[in-house]
Amino acid sequence: NAGVTQTPKFQVLKTGQSMTLQCAQDMNHNSMYWYRQDPGMGLRLIYYSASEGTTDKGEVPNGYNVSRLNKREFSLRLESAAPSQTSVYFCASSSTAWGTEAFFGQGTRLTVV
Amino acid sequence: GQQLNQSPQSMFIQEGEDVSMNCTSSSIFNTWLWYKQDPGEGPVLLIALYKAGELTSNGRLTAQFGITRKDSFLNISASIPSDVGIYFCAGQYGGGADGLTFGKGTHLIIQP
Repeated sequence: NAGVTQTPKFQVLKTGQSMTLQCAQDMNHNSMYWYRQDPGMGLRLIYYSASEGTTDKGEVPNGYNVSRLNKREFSLRLESAAPSQTSVYFCASSSTAWGTEAFFGQGTRLTVV
Repeated sequence: GQQLNQSPQSMFIQEGEDVSMNCTSSSIFNTWLWYKQDPGEGPVLLIALYKAGELTSNGRLTAQFGITRKDSFLNISASIPSDVGIYFCAGQYGGGADGLTFGKGTHLIIQP
């Protein structure tokens, strides 16, 4: 079982460049999430998708966009990367609309220079 | 927004010792979860708590959902080297897939 798969695992961007982080889950979960993790900050919710076709902002959505492409895939896009977006990004999925028992991918370590 | 205060920030213990960490919130949560994160990996769920007062065990791990619904603790008994990592508490109040609110983590370091 692959679970939640994120690509790429590492990425370096120059300020102003754009990129899309990909996430796919094979557990037939309805809900998917994007979090960022910064040292000493825990994980903070960027965007989430309760079901296919819906997306909503989380705690720190500025500078990001998302697309729930289908039930399996949820992508996160940085249109114009900034150094403040240097972080580790985690995708997660859950079987219930309450977002409990979320399963996480291995993360994407992004550095913006 | 909701905030979770997790303590301690880090713990240096000897192998075989028991460990206790806790989370408190300024507001009520309906669900408490405890995750462990190893270096370079995503968080992995350890224990989920759904009812106030609930006490749940998973091997050497025990967690409780506080009666006030504003706190939770995690105990690890007889620690072993593979317990090293960062432990996160997470809470959720409502439905609608509003995601989880995470504490800042407790970094557990075990000295042999």
